Amino acid sequence: EAQVTQNPRYLITVTGKKLTVTCSQNMNHEYMSWYRQDPGLGLRQIYYSMNVEVTDKGDVPEGYKVSRKEKRNFPLILESPSPNQTSLYFCASSYRQGDTEAFFGQGTRLTVV
Amino acid sequence: GESVGLHLPTLSVQEGDNSIINCAYSNSASDYFIWYKQESGKGPQFIIDIRSNMDKRQGQRVTVLLNKTVKHLSLQIAATQPGDSAVYFCAEGSNYKLTFGKGTLLTVNP
Repeated sequence: EAQVTQNPRYLITVTGKKLTVTCSQNMNHEYMSWYRQDPGLGLRQIYYSMNVEVTDKGDVPEGYKVSRKEKRNFPLILESPSPNQTSLYFCASSYRQGDTEAFFGQGTRLTVV
Repeated sequence: GESVGLHLPTLSVQEGDNSIINCAYSNSASDYFIWYKQESGKGPQFIIDIRSNMDKRQGQRVTVLLNKTVKHLSLQIAATQPGDSAVYFCAEGSNYKLTFGKGTLLTVNP
């Protein structure tokens, strides 16, 4: 089954404790991206990757890092999480840059206390 | 800066009626526009897209209209069903990124 898989689905952590949210897709997609979703603000792009070893900032990259060492994986790293990073996070992938049909993961609800 | 917004945050319709969800955009350079559906507890799901050189596109029970003169996009859902209840997002795309609107909650009453 074609899918984007995020882990974990739910996470509660403390301020400053490094964490990684994993994202994996099995569709051989080139383009992957991370979004955060907040009430009243909709979905905002954090980082995106056009292919292996090619990443760039989205609209709200501060406090986040990403890597793309393999085509299928695109982890989101929070080196020192803060409460303002409490949010619902989505990973998405599409065949290539500019492809309109993006496939989204189920989401990761992160709470930083 | 560019923005994508929605006219109404909520829309309530009767089952079987047609639904129209509207969206305004400000970036006239957008290459394409997309509608996504997000059900509770799930990620957004692609519904339909339209390229900037088109003004209408139809899918199964859905039609997207693009009016570039007034920078307006709409999603029409025919014979709305309870399973259509969700938040609907419009998004505009250019180059390598999507910019999403804030969403409209569609509620279908039986």
